[in-house]
Amino acid sequence: NAGVTQTPKFRVLKTGQSMTLLCAQDMNHEYMYWYRQDPGMGLRLIHYSVGEGTTAKGEVPDGYNVSRLKKQNFLLGLESAAPSQTSVYFCASSYSLAGGHTGELFFGEGSRLTVL
Amino acid sequence: AQSVTQLDSQVPVFEEAPVELRCNYSSSVSVYLFWYVQYPNQGLQLLLKYLSGSTLVKGINGFEAEFNKSQTSFHLRKPSVHISDTAEYFCAVSLMIKAAGNKLTFGGGTRVLVKP
Repeated sequence: NAGVTQTPKFRVLKTGQSMTLLCAQDMNHEYMYWYRQDPGMGLRLIHYSVGEGTTAKGEVPDGYNVSRLKKQNFLLGLESAAPSQTSVYFCASSYSLAGGHTGELFFGEGSRLTVL
Repeated sequence: AQSVTQLDSQVPVFEEAPVELRCNYSSSVSVYLFWYVQYPNQGLQLLLKYLSGSTLVKGINGFEAEFNKSQTSFHLRKPSVHISDTAEYFCAVSLMIKAAGNKLTFGGGTRVLVKP
């Protein structure tokens, strides 16, 4: 019972480098999300997807791109990393309730990114 | 847009004592409400949720929460805590309107430290 799997779990980058975080879910969920967690700020939504081939911006999308080419995968990319992107990143997936609203989110264990 | 406020950033409590974590939200439309728990170095897990029906919601590990629409609150309680309840707790809100998409907004978190 894998649930939501994130790779890598840890990464150190230099300013300006690029990288991709991969999220995979095996629950056939329609919705997938990328959040970042910073001390005292809770979780802030970066981008999300309501289905294969669709993505949308959350509240803090700048500096990130995403793709959802397959239903089970959601990729988060940093094209040119900055120290302000040092954070813990969480992927989540969810099913839909009646009317298209989200049910509860199922989270991965997080990816800790440090940008020097 | 909705917002979620967790009034206490840290709550120290002695083992076997009761605990209450406060959550208030602001929204002009009806909402779904959730409480999540995050143990150290892990992702978030759902404790309980309010979608409709009884305003008193029971969750896992002996936690419960009460939805108060007039006060726009969803406070979390446990009558007797254990050392293993040491964790960070997040309140989250989802709007019950289609235009809002399928997103959760999280509060800033409350760190609970249970002392022996």
